[in-house]
Amino acid sequence: KAGVTQTPRYLIKTRGQQVTLSCSPISGHRSVSWYQQTPGQGLQFLFEYFSETQRNKGNFPGRFSGRQFSNSRSEMNVSTLELGDSALYLCASRQGVNTEAFFGQGTRLTVV
Amino acid sequence: DQQVKQNSPSLSVQEGRISILNCDYTNSMFDYFLWYKKYPAEGPTFLISISSIKDKNEDGRFTVFLNKSAKHLSLHIVPSQPGDSAVYFCAASTRRTDNFNKFYFGSGTKLNVKP
Repeated sequence: KAGVTQTPRYLIKTRGQQVTLSCSPISGHRSVSWYQQTPGQGLQFLFEYFSETQRNKGNFPGRFSGRQFSNSRSEMNVSTLELGDSALYLCASRQGVNTEAFFGQGTRLTVV
Repeated sequence: DQQVKQNSPSLSVQEGRISILNCDYTNSMFDYFLWYKKYPAEGPTFLISISSIKDKNEDGRFTVFLNKSAKHLSLHIVPSQPGDSAVYFCAASTRRTDNFNKFYFGSGTKLNVKP
C-alpha cells in the first residue's frame, strides 16, 4: 500500500507570493492533517480535514488555508508569504477517529 | 499553549545501553499517547502508542510507560542501536469522543546512539 505522498518536496518562494502544497493520503484514509515543523518548535498543528470538511484548526493566521477533495486528496495554501513561513510542512492521514496518523515526507518551503 | 513537553532537546547513549526519552503533559483529558521517530528529510514514523487504560505497552525493543498521576510518559529503547539515532516526538490526544481530536506534539528529543 502506498504511503502518504506530498508534492513538491522542495519549494523556494519570494516574500509576498503564495504557495499551494499537495497531499495524497494512504488509500482508504479519509482524514488528512497538516503540520508545520520549525527548529525547536516541534510539530504545530494547522488543520485537519475529513470528508471534505475542516474538523479541527490550529492557531495559525488566516493566510493559511486548506481544502480536501472528494478523493480525500488535500491541498494547503499559504498566501502573502513571510520569511517566518519557512518550514517543513507535513501532511498526515489516518483511517479513523481513534487511530494513529501516518506522515508523508514533507514539503520543505523556503521563503526568501 | 504547550500541552505536551519534551524538556530534553537531546540525549546521547552508548550502543547496547538503554535510552529513556521523557514526555510530560498538562491536559488531564488526554487518554491516547503516541511516539514517533523522525530521520532528517523524512516524515515522522509511528513507533508505539498507549491508551490511558494501560500503564505499559511493549513492542520489541520499545516500551512506553504511562504515569497518569504524574502526567508523564516515557519511551524506553533496549538495547539502543546506532540506527535509533533520530528525533523522537511524543504526542497526545483525546479518544473519549467520536470526534476527530487533534494530536498535540512535543518539541522532540534528538537521540544519538554512539557505536
